[in-house]
Amino acid sequence: EVQLVESGGGLVKPGGSLRLSCAASGFTFSKAYMNWVRQAPGKGLEWVGRVTSNSAGGTKAYAASVRGRFSISRDDSGSTLFLQMNSLKTEDTAIYFCATEVDLTTAQDYWGQGTLVTVSS
Amino acid sequence: QSVLTQPPSVSAAPGQRVTISCSGSSSNIGSDFVSWYRHLPGTAPKLLIYDTYKRASGIPDRFSASKSGTSATLGITGLQTGDEANYYCAVWDSRLSGRVFGGGTKLTVL
Repeated sequence: EVQLVESGGGLVKPGGSLRLSCAASGFTFSKAYMNWVRQAPGKGLEWVGRVTSNSAGGTKAYAASVRGRFSISRDDSGSTLFLQMNSLKTEDTAIYFCATEVDLTTAQDYWGQGTLVTVSS
Repeated sequence: QSVLTQPPSVSAAPGQRVTISCSGSSSNIGSDFVSWYRHLPGTAPKLLIYDTYKRASGIPDRFSASKSGTSATLGITGLQTGDEANYYCAVWDSRLSGRVFGGGTKLTVL
């Protein structure tokens, strides 16, 4: 069974930092392209960023709203995805989801349950 | 303001058909595959359609999708009260070098 479990969310002051983790199991994590997506209160879904597999270069891409402040990394040996969030703003308050890209063999993607990040003084 | 434009809301009666549009540009819908998601706030989004037309695993054929130029459409037939949710289109945008979601459409089954 595929599982993605996010952790690391919480309350942080504006300007602060937080590191989210996404522990993966049930699939070959090292081959997966991984994404972070967020939903702010009362708002729609917003793509945050993506990292490709290391065999595809480990290329990272970010939404303009977080570029230069957030950084995605992955630990294939531990099947874990990370999101380092620096210089946090109140508008970064959201539920953060990690998700795989579509697995063409199973015609599915997989999502975690999300972790809440609240940026407030 | 998203680069993908969806109507904020649509509604229809049980058993009826509804379509949800997603309008973009040549740098996104016009040049890449579109995905569609169903989402209830606070829960994980559920993939309905990927690669513009293909239903995700376990998605019934009541759900279909199409694309023409820089616009995509999700169609749902035989509406059920359980279909009430927010629906999002998503696609890679080559100009932004990132993925974008539409603003979302709230479906109400009257």
